[in-house]
Amino acid sequence: SYELTQPPSVSVSPGQTASITCFGDGLPKQYAYWYQQKPGQAPVLVICKDRERPSGIPERFSGSSSGTTVTLTISGVQAEDEADYYCQSADTRGTSVIFGGGTTLTVL
Amino acid sequence: QITLKESGPTLVKPTQTLTLTCTFSGFSLNTSGVAVGCIRQPPGKALEWLALIYWDDEKRYSPSLKSRLTITKDTSKNQVLFTMTNMDPVDTATYYCAHRRDVTKAYYYFEFWGQGSLVTVSS
Repeated sequence: SYELTQPPSVSVSPGQTASITCFGDGLPKQYAYWYQQKPGQAPVLVICKDRERPSGIPERFSGSSSGTTVTLTISGVQAEDEADYYCQSADTRGTSVIFGGGTTLTVL
Repeated sequence: QITLKESGPTLVKPTQTLTLTCTFSGFSLNTSGVAVGCIRQPPGKALEWLALIYWDDEKRYSPSLKSRLTITKDTSKNQVLFTMTNMDPVDTATYYCAHRRDVTKAYYYFEFWGQGSLVTVSS
């Protein structure tokens, strides 16, 4: 079955840039989306359709896509960005939703 | 302002059927492009998509769980009902409902989420 693969964890110092990758064979054909989830809270959509930023999401969040890999980049990381991040896409037929395994971002 | 809220039992016995109600406001499930999805998250684990219902009553289900899932809508009550049969302890999770709106049905993303409802499966 189709999977989205993320690194389990990423660590970065405040003010630095964090990059979280997501790999999937279907990503060249389907958009990717990114969610931020803090402990005890519901996920928040931070990137839509590979690189679009929903209203209210800080400019330091950006997304990019290259072939089978999509990347969430957080520039000038702040302590409040410490959270779990999930990529999400659809299967190649576009009939079901898939989430990656999640990446825990630690701000050192 | 779009809000969603899940309601249902907090404890379910193995083999029983889970029924969750998602009550929403700020949008109508009669509006073209709108859909409501159900996503779960076992404690300490990743998100898992379960089901989705569109404004025109078209439905989508997770292939691995399809035989156990049913999603319906009651637009007059602004509610979506989600059932999962034959519950097992591995189904213990926080269950979320979430809103999606896009003109293209195959674009799946959820911009607004409920607070989630923790369901424990135990005898």
